[in-house]
Parts: sequence; C-alpha cells; structure tokens
Amino acid sequence: GENVEQHPSTLSVQEGDSAVIKCTYSDSASNYFPWYKQELGKRPQLIIDIRSNVGEKKDQRIAVTLNKTAKHFSLHITETQPEDSAVYFCAPGGGNTGFQKLVFGTGTRLLVSP
Amino acid sequence: EAGVAQSPRYKIIEKRQSVAFWCNPISGHATLYWYQQILGQGPKLLIQFQNNGVVDDSQLPKDRFSAERLKGVDSTLKIQPAKLEDSAVYLCASSFLGVAGVLYNEQFFGPGTRLTVL
Repeated sequence: GENVEQHPSTLSVQEGDSAVIKCTYSDSASNYFPWYKQELGKRPQLIIDIRSNVGEKKDQRIAVTLNKTAKHFSLHITETQPEDSAVYFCAPGGGNTGFQKLVFGTGTRLLVSP
Repeated sequence: EAGVAQSPRYKIIEKRQSVAFWCNPISGHATLYWYQQILGQGPKLLIQFQNNGVVDDSQLPKDRFSAERLKGVDSTLKIQPAKLEDSAVYLCASSFLGVAGVLYNEQFFGPGTRLTVL
C-alpha cells in the first residue's frame, strides 16, 4: 500500500517566519495532493490542493509545490501567524481501484510563537 | 449548506461492550468514508462507500467492526466487542463523487466521535 511520510514531525517558528513541510509518498499512481489543517480537537479541513498536471499552486500565504518525479510535495506558509498553529497532514490520493482514496501522512505539528 | 453530521460526539464504554456511531453526509454526496484517528496519528481509512455499496474495506477489522449505508445516505459504524486499542476519534467524511478518472473531489469531514474504551 501507499507509504506516506512527513518531515519534520514538529516545527516551531516565530511569528512572521516561513514554514515548509515536506511530504513523500510511494505510489507513483497518486494524482491528487491535498494538505489538511487540524486544530486541536477539531476536524481536518482542506487548506490547499494540487493536481498532478500542475507544479505549483498559491493561495495568499500558502502554497504547494509538487515534484512527481521524486514523489514528494511540500506545503509553504509565509508570514506565519499564531493562528497557523495546528497539525498539518498531507494526504496523497490515487484511484487505482477506480475510486478516489486519500492516504494521510504522519502529521506535522506547527507551533507559531508570537 | 449543512455539513457532515455525526453522533454521538463522545462515548465512554468498557472493553467488550458494543458501540455504534452515526453519520449523515452532505446532501447529494455519493461517497462516504469512515476514518479512525488515534491520538497523535493521521486519519486511517476504515471503509469507503459509493452510494450504498462498499468499495474499500481493506483496513476494517472485520471480526469486530461493521458498517452499513443501507439507503445510500446516512451510515452507521459498529464495534462489537470493543478493545482498549479502539480508543480513538472516529471521523466520517463525504465527497460529491469519489470516482477515479474524474476531477478529484474534496472530502468534507464531520466533527468526529471521540471513543474511550476503559
């Protein structure tokens, strides 16, 4: 099955700094690459996603970059704010069975200090 | 538009007891997912329905877990008997159409049910 890893597992930054989280996956058939944010005690929420025919996507302070050849994609957050503190999950998706299925990574805890 | 609804929000049971969780997806969403999220880990897919049919239950411990979506709308997940290691948050999610080969659809999550097995 798909093996998904995230690095780092924990990331502490000062407010205003940038943060980068990397996700590596094993299934070369993956064609959808979302990032979810999960605040403490809350449900995961999609913050940005990218599809396999695009190398980069940006939405205000967040961006995702994809390297399909190397099988990794990264989340970039600029000008971090305390409210960005949360656990972030990558969840590459494939469709080998004919149905869309996400495999969640191990998670990265981001702490933004004021 | 109403989101994914789940109940109960919290449940405490003793090991070997049974428990059931309920999920009502977003109206019109054909695909429904049940995930298990153990503390400190990412959600793990237990079972995926397309309308009222199961399309993936490869990670469902079938000796104790069962799920159904009889009318292709709401769904129940049952554990019988529960074990200590079943303590987790059980998340339900839905998407408009989870079929491969078409534009990937966002999965929307419910608030989850936190299960504690003593």
